[in-house]
Amino acid sequence: QQQVKQSPQSLIVQKGGISIINCAYENTAFDYFPWYQQFPGKGPALLIAIRPDVSEKKEGRFTISFNKSAKQFSLHIMDSQPGDSATYFCAASMGNYGGSQGNLIFGKGTKLSVKP
Amino acid sequence: SQTIHQWPATLVQPVGSPLSLECTVEGTSNPNLYWYRQAAGRGLQLLFYSVGIGQISSEVPQNLSASRPQDRQFILSSKKLLLSDSGFYLCAWSVGVTGLNEQYFGPGTRLTVT
Repeated sequence: QQQVKQSPQSLIVQKGGISIINCAYENTAFDYFPWYQQFPGKGPALLIAIRPDVSEKKEGRFTISFNKSAKQFSLHIMDSQPGDSATYFCAASMGNYGGSQGNLIFGKGTKLSVKP
Repeated sequence: SQTIHQWPATLVQPVGSPLSLECTVEGTSNPNLYWYRQAAGRGLQLLFYSVGIGQISSEVPQNLSASRPQDRQFILSSKKLLLSDSGFYLCAWSVGVTGLNEQYFGPGTRLTVT
């Protein structure tokens, strides 16, 4: 019940295309859903995050879509660029809880390659 | 602004040797601190987290230990390294007991046990 399932494992997209990465969760107490971007040899960087009171959040070319009833959320990268090639992780937590319940549960990651 | 440092950046150690990785955070007080391990091509495994000085919670039993001697310093240690301890070790911080658990990661330490 604490798992976050991420798909696909890898994704190849042409430059200018839309990259879509999906995550699903079981624990309805999760209330914070961030996405992280990680380049090889670097630490993950917080990219964008959403709370369940909204269905969509957009920041530049990056959009999170959230479906509370389906317990799914996804990352859309519009006009994908070669510089977007990285591994993306979704995560979830019970942000309003302290202790271990507030810790992030990560998906296993998606390796995105954007071909020029 | 807040920054997080990890050192060393790269480490090659023989099996059975001790380990000490250090993480420090600047620009914030009383952060929550985390140690993660990432095996090659794999996801993030939470090892330890700390909500204050001397307060350490372990998520995965293993031959690693963590300590927090100062508010913004987090140390990962081992008395005897195993081959399976190889990986990319990441430190992260967040603020607040409740609310958004925005975690920010350091640059990582690449550990190779030979």
